[in-house]
Amino acid sequence: TQLLEQSPQFLSIQEGENLTVYCNSSSVFSSLQWYRQEPGEGPVLLVTVVTGGEVKKLKRLTFQFGDARKDSSLHITAAQPGDTGLYLCAGARRSNYKLTFGKGTLLTVNP
Amino acid sequence: DTGVSQDPRHKITKRGQNVTFRCDPISEHNRLYWYRQTLGQGPEFLTYFQNEAQLEKSRLLSDRFSAERPKGSFSTLEIQRTEQGDSAMYLCASSVGLAVTNEQFFGPGTRLTVL
Repeated sequence: TQLLEQSPQFLSIQEGENLTVYCNSSSVFSSLQWYRQEPGEGPVLLVTVVTGGEVKKLKRLTFQFGDARKDSSLHITAAQPGDTGLYLCAGARRSNYKLTFGKGTLLTVNP
Repeated sequence: DTGVSQDPRHKITKRGQNVTFRCDPISEHNRLYWYRQTLGQGPEFLTYFQNEAQLEKSRLLSDRFSAERPKGSFSTLEIQRTEQGDSAMYLCASSVGLAVTNEQFFGPGTRLTVL
């Protein structure tokens, strides 16, 4: 059972376009982390959101945690080819410490 | 470089052989995790250590898998009698252990191919 659903699974856009990817769950998480992974490498942590309704910005990336702490979104403004990669969301609960990952959104930004 | 390191980066083995992977976490991180990632999937939790104690094991971790963290620093993951289904990227992560955020930092992974 996939506890975290990410959409879309694949996204191919042109440089300069905006995009949003989604991470949805029926479960509540104490925190949610977004990672970016390139082929053959480990995931790199982008941001952690903790509070329901929280919005964090990282340059052209905007992350939002849902009010109920069940879902999250990542918005990229003016995408660049360097943004290409697999974007993973992962939820954590205070009851244990393991991360539950979604399948990821594979983003390709064409020059 | 003070990030998580893993060795080897790639391993090709024949079915039935044993393999061992090593993970060196970020210094002073007391929690260490192993995950497995197959093509088209996100990482899946395998096991977790706090210092030298192994606190949780996934049911994905069959009897052929064993992990250790003898001195609470580096960790090893051994797979005995490898099978083709064990082919995957094995990822190690560490965290400093803040209960709320639990930010985990990943190593580059070990890509295992079982022929």
